[in-house]
Amino acid sequence: SQTIHQWPATLVQPVGSPLSLECTVEGTSNPNLYWYRQAAGRGLQLLFYSVGIGQISSEVPQNLSASRPQDRQFILSSKKLLLSDSGFYLCAWSVVGRSTGDEQFFGPGTRLTVL
Amino acid sequence: GENVEQHPSTLSVQEGDSAVIKCTYSDSASNYFPWYKQELGKGPQLIIDIRSNVGEKKDQRIAVTLNKTAKHFSLHITETQPEDSAVYFCAASMGYALNFGKGTSLLVTP
Repeated sequence: SQTIHQWPATLVQPVGSPLSLECTVEGTSNPNLYWYRQAAGRGLQLLFYSVGIGQISSEVPQNLSASRPQDRQFILSSKKLLLSDSGFYLCAWSVVGRSTGDEQFFGPGTRLTVL
Repeated sequence: GENVEQHPSTLSVQEGDSAVIKCTYSDSASNYFPWYKQELGKGPQLIIDIRSNVGEKKDQRIAVTLNKTAKHFSLHITETQPEDSAVYFCAASMGYALNFGKGTSLLVTP
């Protein structure tokens, strides 16, 4: 069966510090991968998605970036964090090749607090 | 882009009663409509979904209905239990991106 991991689970960082969040998927090959952010009391906002190694699409302009160095690894980064970057970051995966919408499966999330 | 509206934002029911959450979407090209349940501090869990070629789908106590003409879809939970208490999100998609509603906080009281 497929499993998705995220770490760290929680993170407290000062404003202006760098960020690296990691997501890995087990039990599947060549998944689509996604990064979402969930602000307190709000829905989920898609930040990035990837359909393959090195292929990243950005949905919203921001000071975050994403990379996919390996098939089942997705990394969210920032060079300098802002207070507004605080939130719950969720990684998700789906099966490649569907033409009518993707069933997306979410990881446990990383709670980021920027002080 | 797609806009998904979800109502109500909070819902309180007695154990054993039914709960209904409604969503509307704006883009008629959307063809996939999942529902997620999120417990406090956890990632969302897919509980049921429906595609645009189907009007209704049931899975035990959970059902989803879709009205493509009116562009709305609903989640129905029957015989609610305290463990159904969580935040529920609807979403609409026509491809890679899931466009989420803002969530409904469901409280089931014993």
